[in-house]
Amino acid sequence: EVQLVESGGGLVQPGGSLRLSCAASGFTFSTYAMGWVRQAPGKGLEWVSVISASGGSTFYADSVKGRFTVSRDNAKNTQYLQMNGLRVDDTAVYYCAKDHGEPNYFDPWGQGTLVTVSS
Amino acid sequence: EIVLTQSPATLSLSPGERATLSCRASQSISSHLGWYQQKPGQAPRLLIYHASNRATGIPARFSGSGSGTDFTLTISSLEPEDFVIYYCQQRSNWPLTFGQGTRLEIK
Repeated sequence: EVQLVESGGGLVQPGGSLRLSCAASGFTFSTYAMGWVRQAPGKGLEWVSVISASGGSTFYADSVKGRFTVSRDNAKNTQYLQMNGLRVDDTAVYYCAKDHGEPNYFDPWGQGTLVTVSS
Repeated sequence: EIVLTQSPATLSLSPGERATLSCRASQSISSHLGWYQQKPGQAPRLLIYHASNRATGIPARFSGSGSGTDFTLTISSLEPEDFVIYYCQQRSNWPLTFGQGTRLEIK
């Protein structure tokens, strides 16, 4: 069974940094691209990033480009999201998601980790 | 950026009825569209990929259709657990984008 477990969320002040982790199991991690999608409280879904299976290619939403960096360690079956220069409007539940196999559809998703940016 | 517009925002139906949810893209995306279901307090779940392909384990009452700019998610006979929120997502162009969601509520 595929499992994705996010960690690293919490309360941070505007301008601060956090690093999210997503520990994967139940599939061959190194052969799938991975994504991050976020959801602000009471709002819809917003795509954040995708990283290729090898980690050699990364893609970002304009809203986070230059502030967030996605990476992965295939030896540890873990994806990361380094978030710098956090803003109040980055407050959201951040979901880690596995690429479906058909590229850039997400299936399944982790349970999410809440990031709150507030002074 | 490709904008996806879902309609209606809220759909009120009764169990056993047929539901038709719409997703319109601001430009042609061929068949590069997926549908997700999100239950309260849970992560989204992929229902349909590439416009009309059911994901693993998804009941046959869920079906998708469309291509180009107009897409439909149909639920043939609503079960009580289907009254939640549905999102479409395009993968045709970067950035990937989601629609704003349709809430299916019990009439």
